[in-house]
Amino acid sequence: AQSVTQLGSHVSVSEGALVLLRCNYSSSVPPYLFWYVQYPNQGLQLLLKYTSAATLVKGINDFEAEFKKSETSFHLTKPSAHMSDAAEYFCAVSDLDFNKFYFGSGTKLNVKP
Amino acid sequence: EAGVTQFPSHSVIEKGQTVTLRCDPISGHDNLYWYRRVMGKEIKFLLHFVKESKQDESGMPNNRFLAERTGGTYSTLKVQPAELEDSGVYFCATRDLRGDNEQFFGPGTRLTVL
Repeated sequence: AQSVTQLGSHVSVSEGALVLLRCNYSSSVPPYLFWYVQYPNQGLQLLLKYTSAATLVKGINDFEAEFKKSETSFHLTKPSAHMSDAAEYFCAVSDLDFNKFYFGSGTKLNVKP
Repeated sequence: EAGVTQFPSHSVIEKGQTVTLRCDPISGHDNLYWYRRVMGKEIKFLLHFVKESKQDESGMPNNRFLAERTGGTYSTLKVQPAELEDSGVYFCATRDLRGDNEQFFGPGTRLTVL
């Protein structure tokens, strides 16, 4: 069975600081992993995904994530936070057919000026 | 290209009433999914359509929930009768049958049952 744990329901960083959002997964098969972002009053938008290619995945808006099998982690990072990054971020693992996604409980990122 | 749209954006109803949520997919996307997020918890899978056929409804909470996708275009999710614990945000997502592995999500419908 697949599941995702996101550590920290709220994360606050200063503008320009490093963003680190944590995601650990549990999967009985090689995982396909995703990070989605939800801005206020919008749908979930794909940031990046890992589907068995390079373990360091680059996404939109300078976000990236590294798949670490030994740690069962897929943490999301960004070198320098912008005010516009304030949103809720969701980590997800999918089944092999990409038909059922298992999401974490989300992390709200606050960026302080 | 228009994205996934959902109606209404918000719905407030009383316990025991009926509510119908609607999802319009991206044109040509045969896969359609419903998810629900309750009280700031994780987003949970409800069911999956391929065109008009239900492929997987393992996440449907109980028989008060009925999803349809007549004609394989838009989908509706009806809750009848609604209970307090049905409150949450209902997301619809769609995916191209032939395309990538990304699910495209709508903005969600926030349902409040009083």
